[in-house]
Amino acid sequence: GESVGLHLPTLSVQEGDNSIINCAYSNSASDYFIWYKQESGKGPQFIIDIRSNMDKRQGQRVTVLLNKTVKHLSLQIAATQPGDSAVYFCAENSEGSTLGRLYFGRGTQLTVWP
Amino acid sequence: EAGVAQSPRYKIIEKRQSVAFWCNPISGHATLYWYQQILGQGPKLLIQFQNNGVVDDSQLPKDRFSAERLKGVDSTLKIQPAKLEDSAVYLCASSLRGDRGAEKLFFGSGTQLSVL
Repeated sequence: GESVGLHLPTLSVQEGDNSIINCAYSNSASDYFIWYKQESGKGPQFIIDIRSNMDKRQGQRVTVLLNKTVKHLSLQIAATQPGDSAVYFCAENSEGSTLGRLYFGRGTQLTVWP
Repeated sequence: EAGVAQSPRYKIIEKRQSVAFWCNPISGHATLYWYQQILGQGPKLLIQFQNNGVVDDSQLPKDRFSAERLKGVDSTLKIQPAKLEDSAVYLCASSLRGDRGAEKLFFGSGTQLSVL
């Protein structure tokens, strides 16, 4: 079963490398997905979102990929910088739900080494 | 642009005591949300307001938690009495109208509650 508490998945990368953070979801009715970045002592900050009718969306230095067949999405960060160090959460939302009814996955702690 | 303001930043209380958290959303945002974030987990929605009305409070433990947004602007979340398992960060967020898929949530920095 899923562990709780401080056992966040971790990812350590060298500055300038690309990062890939993965997320699995279980609800087939989920049709809207959002990636958030949360720095220590702060609230989550929106990074990028994607609807289920898309399989890829790009932003500034970030790309989200959605694979509905295996219920998986990923966040790719290009040329990772020390300022990207944070916990990253994926969140899902279902048709018929309100915007606030987001189900967050387990976060991934990204550490970027200079 | 001013963000979502929350206070206090930290609160330490003993179990069975009461505590209240305050939130002021971004000016003009009609929708306000309270989330609970337990250490190591993602936030969980407690309650969502549209102006001064409750839209979703299905995950709010109503025997001990209450929230209000009387004038449709700032909001207060109260816990009475607190339990050890209420130790968490309480996040407030706001959005313009709450339109799913068309808006972003803007989060405050939260109130970190420790119940001893």
